[in-house]
Amino acid sequence: EPEVTQTPSHQVTQMGQEVILRCVPISNHLYFYWYRQILGQKVEFLVSFYNNEISEKSEIFDDQFSVERPDGSNFTLKIRSTKLEDSAMYFCAGLGLAGANSYEQYFGPGTRLTVT
Amino acid sequence: AQSVTQLGSHVSVSEGALVLLRCNYSSSVPPYLFWYVQYPNQGLQLLLKYTTGATLVKGINGFEAEFKKSETSFHLTKPSAHMSDAAEYFCAVSDLSSNTGKLIFGQGTTLQVKP
Repeated sequence: EPEVTQTPSHQVTQMGQEVILRCVPISNHLYFYWYRQILGQKVEFLVSFYNNEISEKSEIFDDQFSVERPDGSNFTLKIRSTKLEDSAMYFCAGLGLAGANSYEQYFGPGTRLTVT
Repeated sequence: AQSVTQLGSHVSVSEGALVLLRCNYSSSVPPYLFWYVQYPNQGLQLLLKYTTGATLVKGINGFEAEFKKSETSFHLTKPSAHMSDAAEYFCAVSDLSSNTGKLIFGQGTTLQVKP
């Protein structure tokens, strides 16, 4: 069964550094998402991406964040200058709209980002 | 705006007992509803979903949920808990009004299963 993969599984960085979180979604998915989960809190939507552009972003997704899908395979989330409060688990997800599994978002295993 | 409320951040049951995890939603349009499970240090796995049709939906691992429009609820149940069911459970609604299908999650419920 196809699955969403994310790398790295754990990233430790210093405050102010740039990080890039990588995801490889399921190949026939059309919508892509990033969510984050601060330790002990609920999962929060960050951004959705469709047809090579951002379709919606939350208020969390400020100018420090960016996403891209440079090669039609990888889907990346970049945080330009990390802050302590960016420490969280970041999940990538994809959505297909056809067939029995339509409207189901498939999540990757997550990247735990620790900002020190 | 859509929202999800999960009543009870922690639920503890004995092995073999009924599991009931509560979820209420708020939505201005017919909702698409989901339950996800998260095992420690793992990602989110879909348990079941309601989109249209039959209001009682069955999922993996013996779980099921019933969509009750009049009560705006989508409670998750399992007749007999197993130790392996101990995990975090998230109810979510798909924000169809935004046309992006983003998920709005509840706060989560930690299920503890006692031997």
